Amino acid sequence: NAGVTQTPKFRILKIGQSMTLQCAQDMNHNYMYWYRQDPGMGLKLIYYSVGAGITDKGEVPNGYNVSRSTTEDFPLRLELAAPSQTSVYFCASRGSTEAFFGQGTRLTVV
Amino acid sequence: GDSVTQMEGPVTLSEEAFLTINCTYTATGYPSLFWYVQYPGEGLQLLLKATKADDKGSNKGFEATYRKETTSFHLEKGSVQVSDSAVYFCALSQLNSGGSNYKLTFGKGTLLTVNP
Repeated sequence: NAGVTQTPKFRILKIGQSMTLQCAQDMNHNYMYWYRQDPGMGLKLIYYSVGAGITDKGEVPNGYNVSRSTTEDFPLRLELAAPSQTSVYFCASRGSTEAFFGQGTRLTVV
Repeated sequence: GDSVTQMEGPVTLSEEAFLTINCTYTATGYPSLFWYVQYPGEGLQLLLKATKADDKGSNKGFEATYRKETTSFHLEKGSVQVSDSAVYFCALSQLNSGGSNYKLTFGKGTLLTVNP
């Protein structure tokens, strides 16, 4: 049982490049989330999904897009990377109670 | 909207000291409350939880009691170890009007450092 798997673990992007952060869970959870964590700060919700085909914005969605074509996968897309998107990104999934988190993707935009 | 306020760190303690990290919340209805822990370089993992008033969550020597009258969920441990050094997050989930408690609200986190 792998839980929540995020790839890649680290990435350096140049300004204006695009990339997709992958997230997969094998617990058949309906709810999935993307958070970003800036140095010394708490978590900010980017997007969330309550089930396949349903996504909604969190508190900081600008510059990101998501899709949820299957229950298992919830990729996060950065279209035009900006230095302000340098952060650690966490994916999480949730069944009826607690959330389970991936190990994070550390992204640097230069 | 819902919010979670926890004491700001950093908190530095000596091994075997008593730990309290305060957490208060604002929410309508009856949220579930959680403490998560983040060790260096890792993701968050659930430490303990409580789903109704007066419930006590406990794990690894940590405890927290859901106090509805004071809207609090303070984390305590009687004797901390060096291995407890981490960031601790208080969080709540809310049952919305549709009956789906999908949203998690986190506090800003408290960095705990335990010295030998």
